[in-house]
Parts: sequence; C-alpha cells; structure tokens
Amino acid sequence: ETGVTQTPRHLVMGMTNKKSLKCEQHLGHNAMYWYKQSAKKPLELMFVYNFKEQTENNSVPSRFSPECPNSSHLFLHLHTLQPEDSALYLCASSQESYYNSPLHFGNGTRLTVT
Amino acid sequence: KNEVEQSPQNLTAQEGEFITINCSYSVGISALHWLQQHPGGGIVSLFMLSSGKKKHGRLIATINIQEKHSSLHITASHPRDSAVYICAVRETSGSRLTFGEGTQLTVNP
Repeated sequence: ETGVTQTPRHLVMGMTNKKSLKCEQHLGHNAMYWYKQSAKKPLELMFVYNFKEQTENNSVPSRFSPECPNSSHLFLHLHTLQPEDSALYLCASSQESYYNSPLHFGNGTRLTVT
Repeated sequence: KNEVEQSPQNLTAQEGEFITINCSYSVGISALHWLQQHPGGGIVSLFMLSSGKKKHGRLIATINIQEKHSSLHITASHPRDSAVYICAVRETSGSRLTFGEGTQLTVNP
C-alpha cells in the first residue's frame, strides 16, 4: 500500500475515446503531480497542483486536461489522444510543492492508445 | 544532454555483491532524490538528501555538492533489489524535479 492509489491500472483506448485517470491520496499532502513515463525516457512532469491550485503546466497538449477538486483527489481527463501518448502515467503527492519533501508515487496507469 | 546523468545504464550482479550506482548533475540543487521502480511500475522514494550521507538498512546514499555527484550503494545485494533506480534533482531556481534515465539493476541468485 503506497498511500497513493491510481485507477485504472491498465487502459486501452482508441484515438476518438474520452477517458479519465484517477488518483487519490490520504496522506494529508497538499501537492499532487502527474508524470508521464515513456519507454527509455526519464520521467516528465506534466502538471502540479498545490492546495488545489494548478501551479505548473509543463507545455502539455490540451488533449490532456487535469482536474483537482480537492487536495486528496486528482484526475487526468483524456480525449482524442495519439498513439505516441501511450505511456505509464504516474501520480504523486508531497507535503507541499515548494519545499523539499519526499514524493509518494502511485503504481501508475499503463495507457495504450490504439 | 540531460542535466542528470546516471551510470551505469544497466548493471548485473551476483547475490551478495556490493553495488554502486552513480548520478552526476550539472545544475545547482537544493535536494537530490533516489527512487526505486519495480517492474510493476510503482515508484518508492528511497532517500532525499542535500549533503553528506544517509543510510537505511542495506542502502547508503552519499552526495558531494562541490563535485555535483551522488552515489547509491547497496550492500549484500539480494535478488529482490532488482529494480530501476532513478536519481532526481530539485534545482535551486525552481520547484520541479529533473530525473535521470534510471539504472536497471538485476541481481542474480
């Protein structure tokens, strides 16, 4: 049990589908993150939320739309994705985003776009 | 060129061996993280350090700020240590982490 739960674990979707990834943490953290991990590449930061406010958008295409309704939940809404978007999407949380504190990761959602 | 370079990219060891994974970075940092990723994908934070040395069980992490270099050591390695080990740095100029490409460690029985 990592303290950060992601669902679903695996997702296969067509390019015209709309789906959402969900992340939940009950660690009392105030910062939540979405990362993308493609094969043979370093983790790439996508979005950061601190106290429910988006503080970073790392030039992510608009077909990825994050939502943070409260400090415990984070969503990534997906629509009209491309095959190159196939990757492992990892959610993480930390005490706050502006201070050095350990990151707690979920197990990720393995996304395949067909 | 990535701001965070790890070596080696792949490492195979026999059970019981002492293992060292290296991380070099080119920017000023406020902290360095070592992470472990198992085949299922989940990532565990092993260490966060900004100076000196930290130890947890069989794992030891060191950092030399002047040389911009960190090492992760595993003593008495075990097959369950097989994983990808990732170094990440938090730059002094910002809040985001920059990640290395990871080192794939395989420990054979």
